[in-house]
Amino acid sequence: ILNVEQSPQSLHVQEGDSTNFTCSFPSSNFYALHWYRWETAKSPEALFVMTLNGDEKKKGRISATLNTKEGYSYLYIKGSQPEDSATYLCAFNTNAGKSTFGDGTTLTVKP
Amino acid sequence: DTGVSQNPRHKITKRGQNVTFRCDPISEHNRLYWYRQTLGQGPEFLTYFQNEAQLEKSRLLSDRFSAERPKGSFSTLEIQRTEQGDSAMYLCASSRLIDSANYGYTFGSGTRLTVV
Repeated sequence: ILNVEQSPQSLHVQEGDSTNFTCSFPSSNFYALHWYRWETAKSPEALFVMTLNGDEKKKGRISATLNTKEGYSYLYIKGSQPEDSATYLCAFNTNAGKSTFGDGTTLTVKP
Repeated sequence: DTGVSQNPRHKITKRGQNVTFRCDPISEHNRLYWYRQTLGQGPEFLTYFQNEAQLEKSRLLSDRFSAERPKGSFSTLEIQRTEQGDSAMYLCASSRLIDSANYGYTFGSGTRLTVV
């Protein structure tokens, strides 16, 4: 059983704060790491797909880094807004098949 | 294409009854996945298909669970003799084989099952 861990479990920040979360995964048999955002009452939405050690991806105020050798990825949100409130999931792949998900980090941004 | 569609959105059933859920993936996606999610946990893998072939089924899945994808289009997930522990959100996702590691999954809105 693959162990994918996310921390913290939950996070409460003020609007305008910058924040980051961690996803830890096995450092062997790496194929890809996905980040998803899951807003309440909606479907999980793919944010980033990361495949190469040292990868950095950015979408607006959100960015992610990847270290496959040590088995972690960081997700950063700059200047958090209330609409960023969601659960952020990471998913680890050892091949092009199924993903193994972490339990997520739930972010609440207070106006 | 309207994305991945799941029906019903909610299902309440009595313990011991059988239930069936349906998933309609994005038409050009040949991979289809079923996951189960309970409160405070991440999605847990159940099974996945490539076209009509079921490629993998979780060892955590009991014999009460069965999934099909006839003709490689929509898929159904059936749970027989439901138990209270089956209460969860059942998520379906699809992807293209070549791109499954490039674009991630496209998820449906899920079916929330409550067993009373």
